[in-house]
Amino acid sequence: AQSVTQLGSHVSVSEGALVLLRCNYSSSVPPYLFWYVQYPNQGLQLLLKYTTGATLVKGINGFEAEFKKSETSFHLTKPSAHMSDAAEYFCAVTTYNNNDMRFGAGTRLTVKP
Amino acid sequence: DTEVTQTPKHLVMGMTNKKSLKCEQHMGHRAMYWYKQKAKKPPELMFVYSYEKLSINESVPSRFSPECPNSSLLNLHLHALQPEDSALYLCASSQRAGGGYNEQFFGPGTRLTVL
Repeated sequence: AQSVTQLGSHVSVSEGALVLLRCNYSSSVPPYLFWYVQYPNQGLQLLLKYTTGATLVKGINGFEAEFKKSETSFHLTKPSAHMSDAAEYFCAVTTYNNNDMRFGAGTRLTVKP
Repeated sequence: DTEVTQTPKHLVMGMTNKKSLKCEQHMGHRAMYWYKQKAKKPPELMFVYSYEKLSINESVPSRFSPECPNSSLLNLHLHALQPEDSALYLCASSQRAGGGYNEQFFGPGTRLTVL
């Protein structure tokens, strides 16, 4: 079965600094990978996804992620953090023939002024 | 319409009550999902419906009973719940289940408190 591991339950950055949230996956078949963001007391919003094709994926709100098969990674980055980026971020994985999606434990991003 | 709606937003119930959570989408999606999310934890999959048929039940206790009346609606019937069932219940939908079309769109959730 597929799974993801998010390194770091809490990441704190200053406003304007680089955001890097780490995600490593495990899958015996080609994975489909997702990053979701969750603001307090809200549902999950899709930031970006990788299925096939280009390994550098651009999403909403200036976020991007790169699929690296050799490193089994799908890290999320943003060049310059904004206060509004403070939220919980979840990496998730599924596969072509799978009906369910498995989430990582989540990383809470704090942005300091 | 690219929205998944859930009602009610908040629900407080006693352990002997019967209540239902509702979820609706009008994106033409044929897969719908129920998740349970405890505080500071990731969503945990409960049920998956594919083309209105239950395709995954993640060993959920029978006090949770899902129902998919049609392709746009998903219900979760609750009966004799326990305080540990208090959580945020999230509904999601995707174009299909599996086959590369399983990008999931989430509703805002129902915050359930069991007294």
